[in-house]
Amino acid sequence: KAGVTQTPRYLIKTRGQQVTLSCSPISGHRSVSWYQQTPGQGLQFLFEYFSETQRNKGNFPGRFSGRQFSNSRSEMNVSTLELGDSALYLCASKTGGKSYNEQFFGPGTRLTVL
Amino acid sequence: QKEVEQNSGPLSVPEGAIASLNCTYSDRGSQSFFWYRQYSGKSPELIMFIYSNGDKEDGRFTAQLNKASQYVSLLIRDSQPSDSATYLCAVIGDTGGFKTIFGAGTRLFVKA
Repeated sequence: KAGVTQTPRYLIKTRGQQVTLSCSPISGHRSVSWYQQTPGQGLQFLFEYFSETQRNKGNFPGRFSGRQFSNSRSEMNVSTLELGDSALYLCASKTGGKSYNEQFFGPGTRLTVL
Repeated sequence: QKEVEQNSGPLSVPEGAIASLNCTYSDRGSQSFFWYRQYSGKSPELIMFIYSNGDKEDGRFTAQLNKASQYVSLLIRDSQPSDSATYLCAVIGDTGGFKTIFGAGTRLFVKA
């Protein structure tokens, strides 16, 4: 079974631009979560989507948004990029319904904002 | 108080020794507990999960959970240099819609 895939793997943008990241979960997984990882803040939860609905949201500004499609693929969008948005963005999927389901991470998208 | 706390390390152990990694959490209603290993430049990899009080063993890894003390640990027996990585503790709480909260991670170095 293929793992979680994320595209693109690397991105370089400038301040003020917007970016869209994509995540394809493991086949059969209906929950997709997004995380931001930086050396200073560690792994921070952005949001979780389950069956095309946002089920959870972390403490990030409204510039960070996401969506999920009927095939469970998810996209994350960051508008008006700031230097502090430079980070590794990780997507993780799990089967979905139960709180104890373990989640599996994709390789991440490394975003650099100049 | 952070929701999930780990000693940032680094923790240094000689090859063949037991490495003990600890994690405490604040949400008493937490239900699920996970340990991830993350190599530098890579994404986290799930290595253990535990839901019930007590010990759970998988090969060289043992997870221990004590809900009364709000404490979860990971023991790595016969540590190998390839175990050198950052170990992340993750907890799914009872509040906030079952979000997964990660600790900051403990860096482990296994010296050959």
